[in-house]
Amino acid sequence: AQRVTQPEKLLSVFKGAPVELKCNYSYSGSPELFWYVQYSRQRLQLLLRHISRESIKGFTADLNKGETSFHLKKPFAQEEDSAMYYCALTDSWGKLQFGAGTQVVVTP
Amino acid sequence: NAGVMQNPRHLVRRRGQEARLRCSPVKGHSHVYWYRQLPEEGLKFMVYLQKENIIDESGMPKERFSAEFPKEGPSILRIQQVVRGDSAAYFCASSPGQISGNTIYFGEGSWLTVV
Repeated sequence: AQRVTQPEKLLSVFKGAPVELKCNYSYSGSPELFWYVQYSRQRLQLLLRHISRESIKGFTADLNKGETSFHLKKPFAQEEDSAMYYCALTDSWGKLQFGAGTQVVVTP
Repeated sequence: NAGVMQNPRHLVRRRGQEARLRCSPVKGHSHVYWYRQLPEEGLKFMVYLQKENIIDESGMPKERFSAEFPKEGPSILRIQQVVRGDSAAYFCASSPGQISGNTIYFGEGSWLTVV
């Protein structure tokens, strides 16, 4: 069965410090993985797709098939990064399955 | 070129009433998904629909919840006889097709409060 695991419910970091959000997955095929961000009571926004290999707002994520991980990283956190972050994968139907989410709080 | 439109944004219902949440997908998108976000919890998949078809309803509670996506008009998520535990944010998303890799677009959500 496919599953997305985000072990950290809350991550509190200081402004300027590095931040890493963990995401592990289990999927029988070749998954497509995403990170979504949700600012307070707003719609989810796509942050990253693993196939595009791009960096958005300073965030990067590398798919590690050996460790079945897709951790999200940013070297220097900013206050505006405070939000809820969801790791997700799509199944063969294109349906997104989300992890439980990690709330990031960046303090000055 | 509007994105996914959901209404109402906020809905208050008394226990036992019905709640109807509407979702208009991005123009040209034929696939709609509903997710529920409970307080302090993540996003849970509820149902995946194409026009006039339910593809996957594995996340829908067995009772009181139903969803449809008619040939014309928006997708509707219907909750009958609401209870306090139904209070949540309900997000709709749409995509142009089922091919893996299509980006899914989300609406701003409908916040249901049951009093």
